[in-house]
Amino acid sequence: KQEVTQIPAALSVPEGENLVLNCSFTDSAIYNLQWFRQDPGKGLTSLLLIQSSQREQTSGRLNASLDKSSGRSTLYIAASQPGDSATYLCAVTSMNRDDKIIFGKGTRLHILP
Amino acid sequence: DGGITQSPKYLFRKEGQNVTLSCEQNLNHDAMYWYRQDPGQGLRLIYYSQIVNDFQKGDIAEGYSVSREKKESFPLTVTSAQKNPTAFYLCASSIEFAGGHNNEQFFGPGTRLTVL
Repeated sequence: KQEVTQIPAALSVPEGENLVLNCSFTDSAIYNLQWFRQDPGKGLTSLLLIQSSQREQTSGRLNASLDKSSGRSTLYIAASQPGDSATYLCAVTSMNRDDKIIFGKGTRLHILP
Repeated sequence: DGGITQSPKYLFRKEGQNVTLSCEQNLNHDAMYWYRQDPGQGLRLIYYSQIVNDFQKGDIAEGYSVSREKKESFPLTVTSAQKNPTAFYLCASSIEFAGGHNNEQFFGPGTRLTVL
C-alpha cells in the first residue's frame, strides 16, 4: 500500500534562509510526484510536477528533486520570504493504486520576519 | 481567465438534508476529482471522473453522489447518509486521468461545509 509521509509537520525558519522540505513514499512504482502550496482556507496551488524519469524540476526560487529508488523527494526554497508561509503538500501518482494520487499530510511552514 | 470555480464558498446544512456543491472548469480538462480535507489528515478522494458521462468511486464514496453530464461540470451531492459531512471540499481537474503524462492537478478554491 502506497503511503506518503512529510516530516516535520511544522517548521519555523527566519526570513532569508534557504530551507528543505521532505517527502517520502513507500512504493517506488510511481508515474510522477507533485508539490503543492496551500494557504489557510484556500485550495491547492500546483508548484512543480516531476515525472518518474526526471531527477529535478526548478521554478524560480523553488527546486524539487526526486530519488525514486529511495522513495524520497525534497523541495528546496531559496532565500525564504514571509510570503512563503503556507502548508506544502506532496502527492504521488501510484502505479499500484489504480493510478490514483496519494497525498501527504503536508508541512506547515512559517517564515519569521 | 481559465480555471476552476467552486460554489458556494461556505455552506451550512441541517441534519437530514442533501446539499449539492458546484464545480466548474473551463480548462477543457477530461478528468475531474472531488476530495475531502479534514484537519490533521491528508486529502481523501471521494469520486473521480475520467471523461464525461463516466465516474468512479474513490476511497470514501459512501454518503456522496456525483454526475458528469457535461465536460465542464462535476457537481457533488452530500446526502443525509454521510454521517460526518463537516469538512473542506476540494474539486480538481487534469488534462487526463492519473497515470498519463498529463495528470498535473489543478484545484478550485474549495467549499467549507458545516452541519448544524
